[in-house]
Amino acid sequence: DQQVKQNSPSLSVQEGRISILNCDYTNSMFDYFLWYKKYPAEGPTFLISISSIKDKNEDGRFTVFLNKSAKHLSLHIVPSQPGDSAVYFCAASGIGSQGNLIFGKGTKLSVKP
Amino acid sequence: DVKVTQSSRYLVKRTGEKVFLECVQDMDHENMFWYRQDPGLGLRLIYFSYDVKMKEKGDIPEGYSVSREKKERFSLILESASTNQTSMYLCASWGQGRTDTQYFGPGTRLTVL
Repeated sequence: DQQVKQNSPSLSVQEGRISILNCDYTNSMFDYFLWYKKYPAEGPTFLISISSIKDKNEDGRFTVFLNKSAKHLSLHIVPSQPGDSAVYFCAASGIGSQGNLIFGKGTKLSVKP
Repeated sequence: DVKVTQSSRYLVKRTGEKVFLECVQDMDHENMFWYRQDPGLGLRLIYFSYDVKMKEKGDIPEGYSVSREKKERFSLILESASTNQTSMYLCASWGQGRTDTQYFGPGTRLTVL
């Protein structure tokens, strides 16, 4: 049973517009959430994270929102750029996980010029 | 700067061969991980290690084994490669901070013929 779900396998957005990537989780013990970005033939790179004590974290064009009651988080990219085209993975961890992250299946974002 | 390296970017092996995938990190991290990434399935954890000579099974350990003789090196072994082990293999390491992130290597694209 998937504990972290990314229900949209793909998303296409026009350059300059907002990209919104969604992620749902089922385990209420998760308290730390991360987003990774992955280009083809490369390893994932860390993008942004959020602790469960917050509901928003911002880093430049990237903002992550956390809704604990809905067990839902989203990544907003504004404005989207063609270089943002990649697969985005949502991940979660709980206390005592020893760094073991539970990953979603990923959403492939395509930003069209 | 953080660095995780993997011994090969691309590897082609034949069915039944023994395959070694090596991963080295230079961050003095205790925890290291091996994943495989397949289209539509996301990142699936094969094995992880939280100390030298320690190992834990992940979600899909069948057909794989690991070795951690030194802190900086974590090896994934396919005892007898099969075609269904054709995949992208990703190694990661994790620092001890509760809100640290996993750092990934560039990946090894393994093809088993």
